[in-house]
Amino acid sequence: DAKTTQPPSMDCAEGRAANLPCNHSTISGNEYVYWYRQIHSQGPQYIIHGLKNNETNEMASLIITEDRKSSTLILPHATLRDTAVYYCIVRRGLRGGSNYKLTFGKGTLLTVNP
Amino acid sequence: EAGVVQSPRYKIIEKKQPVAFWCNPISGHNTLYWYRQNLGQGPELLIRYENEEAVDDSQLPKDRFSAERLKGVDSTLKIQPAELGDSAVYLCASSLRRVVGDYEQYFGPGTRLTVT
Repeated sequence: DAKTTQPPSMDCAEGRAANLPCNHSTISGNEYVYWYRQIHSQGPQYIIHGLKNNETNEMASLIITEDRKSSTLILPHATLRDTAVYYCIVRRGLRGGSNYKLTFGKGTLLTVNP
Repeated sequence: EAGVVQSPRYKIIEKKQPVAFWCNPISGHNTLYWYRQNLGQGPELLIRYENEEAVDDSQLPKDRFSAERLKGVDSTLKIQPAELGDSAVYLCASSLRRVVGDYEQYFGPGTRLTVT
């Protein structure tokens, strides 16, 4: 699986949008971009994933560049409860296969300030 | 819907002692994972089960670690004997395996092990 590069930490003001970048310049055509987050003393939590197109759900939006070498996770209105480590993971998709593996890096510690 | 349940949440033992962690996955999830997370690092996969079968245990230190998933539901991860370097958070996750398409892994809160 392709490796990812994320800044170690970021700050965001409460109520503002948090934009978390991720570089994955070696991503392959069949690899998806996944985002998980881990709040202190909890297990990781799935946020969103995408292949080529931008994706949005109730938690966040995922913007993937046209060349797919980088992406941005957007939390539109960050709250104090969004303070967590955010992991960007690249993983091959499943098509009747068994590629299940999530390879976590160190992620980005997002601190939302009041 | 109940999430992944793990117990205990915290465990402190002396080195060379045995320890066991228990996991109850989300109902209906046929795939179960055990991860280890060292301080300041992301989780690393130890073993993956599909139903009762361990389909990937390549990262499990088999000299001291063992795991089982009887009846394809609950799972236990054991360390015997524990070493100082085993201090970490042990996370259990489960997912529903589909024939086609992606799926998400749902994680439990983890067991924080301290070996003294």
